[in-house]
Amino acid sequence: DGGITQSPKYLFRKEGQNVTLSCEQNLNHDAMYWYRQDPGQGLRLIYYSQIVNDFQKGDIAEGYSVSREKKESFPLTVTSAQKNPTAFYLCASSLRTGLGPAEAFFGQGTRLTVV
Amino acid sequence: AQTVTQSQPEMSVQEAETVTLSCTYDTSENNYYLFWYKQPPSRQMILVIRQEAYKQQNATENRFSVNFQKAAKSFSLKISDSQLGDTAMYFCAFMKLPYGGATNKLIFGTGTLLAVQP
Repeated sequence: DGGITQSPKYLFRKEGQNVTLSCEQNLNHDAMYWYRQDPGQGLRLIYYSQIVNDFQKGDIAEGYSVSREKKESFPLTVTSAQKNPTAFYLCASSLRTGLGPAEAFFGQGTRLTVV
Repeated sequence: AQTVTQSQPEMSVQEAETVTLSCTYDTSENNYYLFWYKQPPSRQMILVIRQEAYKQQNATENRFSVNFQKAAKSFSLKISDSQLGDTAMYFCAFMKLPYGGATNKLIFGTGTLLAVQP
């Protein structure tokens, strides 16, 4: 089945540690995104990537980093510089603009808790 | 910059009745997409309906339909014959139609929590 897989579903991190969230898609989508969801704030864009080896900062990129070495994969690292990392993280993908329907497809999310 | 506003944090509807969720947006763009996404308790985001701004006809998907008022920058979602499975957080989202080099950047509202009562 085609889709987006995020792992793990729940993640606990000690303060001061970096942690990497995985996102893999087999939809052959060029574009991938990371969103952060907090209560009452909707989804906020962290980073996005249109093609392999290229990515851009979203609205709240500070304290996060990404890589896009393969079309299928777009891991997100939450660094110790992120002051309030406890949140629900959603990965999404879509066809590149002009190549088909514009809607994004989402993974099931990762709940990160800093302890 | 584009913004999306959902002014109803929570709503409730009886099973089998109709409910309308509101969404307004602010943009200077003429060509864009608008979406409604549903997030049930499982937290999986699911696309409900999509509207292209250049289309005057309102989109419909089974029990879900929209009222798109481009001049008023309004994009409401109507759910007919509400079912218990419609209980979820509903997000309105905006995407401008990019020009060469830009990307599909979705901008979300803060969501409306809909509870369908038996």
